[in-house]
Amino acid sequence: DTAVSQTPKYLVTQMGNDKSIKCEQNLGHDTMYWYKQDSKKFLKIMFSYNNKELIINETVPNRFSPKSPDKAHLNLHINSLELGDSAVYFCASSQDLGQRNTEAFFGQGTRLTVV
Amino acid sequence: GEDVEQSLFLSVREGDSSVINCTYTDSSSTYLYWYKQEPGAGLQLLTYIFSNMDMKQDQRLTVLLNKKDKHLSLRIADTQTGDSAIYFCAETPGYSSASKIIFGSGTRLSIRP
Repeated sequence: DTAVSQTPKYLVTQMGNDKSIKCEQNLGHDTMYWYKQDSKKFLKIMFSYNNKELIINETVPNRFSPKSPDKAHLNLHINSLELGDSAVYFCASSQDLGQRNTEAFFGQGTRLTVV
Repeated sequence: GEDVEQSLFLSVREGDSSVINCTYTDSSSTYLYWYKQEPGAGLQLLTYIFSNMDMKQDQRLTVLLNKKDKHLSLRIADTQTGDSAIYFCAETPGYSSASKIIFGSGTRLSIRP
């Protein structure tokens, strides 16, 4: 069974459209994340949720809205897509244990191309 | 502030050792990690080290931490073609909860015959 699964794997869409990427984890983790990886492979955190509550929002445009219906799911909705949104988006989860080791498990990524 | 830096490329001959270096700025980092990303795949945790350790060895992997210089390295012994990937250094900042992992830019390791 896949631990962290994202759908779709590929998404090609036109500028101005609204799209969603879904993420589910079956690891029983409390914390989920969205990361954006650009064409140079730089990986930046976008959001972090702990038990359905937003913990981190790293100055991401408010066109990006994460939604966590329960702690196993963290979906990413993007409004009014722009060319610069093209990237690979990774969902991840971890069992947050305060100061203890935080191993993050990553999904396979969603390659978003805005044309 | 929080910043993690790595060189972007490394090329080694098959069978040699690879050493990938990383520097970080947050002196209160609790855990430091090495993740591996193969083409078209997500990131996978390779190994980690707690900030009060100097060294950790796990089969072909050796992690060295110089906390004074805020320098982390990953040594891969007997590098194989399957080790070709991007290697990301990462840290958990000490000032915040563990709900944040900051990644370096990644080092692309290529193996030549």
